[in-house]
Amino acid sequence: DTEVTQTPKHLVMGMTNKKSLKCEQHMGHRAMYWYKQKAKKPPELMFVYSYEKLSINESVPSRFSPECPNSSLLNLHLHALQPEDSALYLCASSQVVSSGAGDGYTFGSGTRLTVV
Amino acid sequence: QKEVEQDPGPLSVPEGAIVSLNCTYSNSAFQYFMWYRQYSRKGPELLMYTYSSGNKEDGRFTAQVDKSSKYISLFIRDSQPSDSATYLCAMTLNTGGFKTIFGAGTRLFVKA
Repeated sequence: DTEVTQTPKHLVMGMTNKKSLKCEQHMGHRAMYWYKQKAKKPPELMFVYSYEKLSINESVPSRFSPECPNSSLLNLHLHALQPEDSALYLCASSQVVSSGAGDGYTFGSGTRLTVV
Repeated sequence: QKEVEQDPGPLSVPEGAIVSLNCTYSNSAFQYFMWYRQYSRKGPELLMYTYSSGNKEDGRFTAQVDKSSKYISLFIRDSQPSDSATYLCAMTLNTGGFKTIFGAGTRLFVKA
């Protein structure tokens, strides 16, 4: 299995809702990432997990809460989002080597989030 | 000045043309260089991964890294309409961290 699977593919939520994005990989990668991508912009790093521990939080607002229950799963819990949080949320994974990035990332297809 | 500069295009070429995509960067500590291809409404897909300076070839794709000039390139030979996508350069520091910096992406259109 060489894929990163993200669910749901599309999500519409109100500003008072609580929802979760899910990401799964079975490649044995021990680094997992959440990225946010706005239209026609590059991906922006949000969080990095290494060996199931949070290693990087890029000053992301607390309305985004990551969780790594095990080495194959990564969740992003959403609460009280704003319309400007609407974007494509990408999960990625990589091997862990001294450089961190391994042989590059494997990305999922993303969850397209719309906050209304 | 951005850490990674990439012309967003769009770049439009006829089928069969050689395409040259480029990025410049400012931080000489970058050691790992990547090119990703992203189709509309999909996640990026890793195309090429190189370490330090030099060339790497994979089929119709060639990646070049010139660390002295802080300049990387991706060449696509015999371009096809299926190559139409956004191409993102990316680079990572050699500090044991996990932070990869992406360029803005160049939108490429290959006309049949």
